[in-house]
Amino acid sequence: DAKTTQPTSMDCAEGRAANLPCNHSTISGNEYVYWYRQIHSQGPQYIIHGLKNNETNEMASLIITEDRKSSTLILPHATLRDTAVYYCIVRVGYFTGANSKLTFGKGITLSVRP
Amino acid sequence: DGGITQSPKYLFRKEGQNVTLSCEQNLNHDAMYWYRQDPGQGLRLIYYSQIVNDFQKGDIAEGYSVSREKKESFPLTVTSAQKNPTAFYLCASSALDRVTEAFFGQGTRLTVV
Repeated sequence: DAKTTQPTSMDCAEGRAANLPCNHSTISGNEYVYWYRQIHSQGPQYIIHGLKNNETNEMASLIITEDRKSSTLILPHATLRDTAVYYCIVRVGYFTGANSKLTFGKGITLSVRP
Repeated sequence: DGGITQSPKYLFRKEGQNVTLSCEQNLNHDAMYWYRQDPGQGLRLIYYSQIVNDFQKGDIAEGYSVSREKKESFPLTVTSAQKNPTAFYLCASSALDRVTEAFFGQGTRLTVV
């Protein structure tokens, strides 16, 4: 799996958009960008994933640059409950064989302030 | 609701005792996983299973054992051979036949005293 680089931490004001960056310059053509988050003392929660097109769901939007070397997760209206560690993971889409493992790095700690 | 259930949420054991952590899923997923998380650290894979009655070691399998007798269940036993068992244990599952994500349980925090 390609490695990712994320800032250690960031904060934003409640109600504003939170833009979380991720660099993945060695991404391969068949690898997806996944985002998970982990609220303190809970299991990781899947947020969104994408291959090359921008994606949006009820939780967030994922913007992938045209060269696919970086991406941004956007939480459009951050709330206090969005305070968590956010993980950007690059991997193939299928969980088979040698690709069974999800590799989580340190992630970025997002603090949403009132 | 579909999901993964881990129990219990908190578990205390004396040193030298084996302990079994439960993980059940009703998502009809073929694959199940156990991860360990230590404070401020990422997740490390202990064991995974892609089919009933078969499982594979992950990166840190020593001192742990698993079984997969049913598709829905993947219990993890932390044996007395595990030198540092106190940790947060996470179970996950995923489909294997499509591009997908992994679903996680809420975790079991094991404290060995």
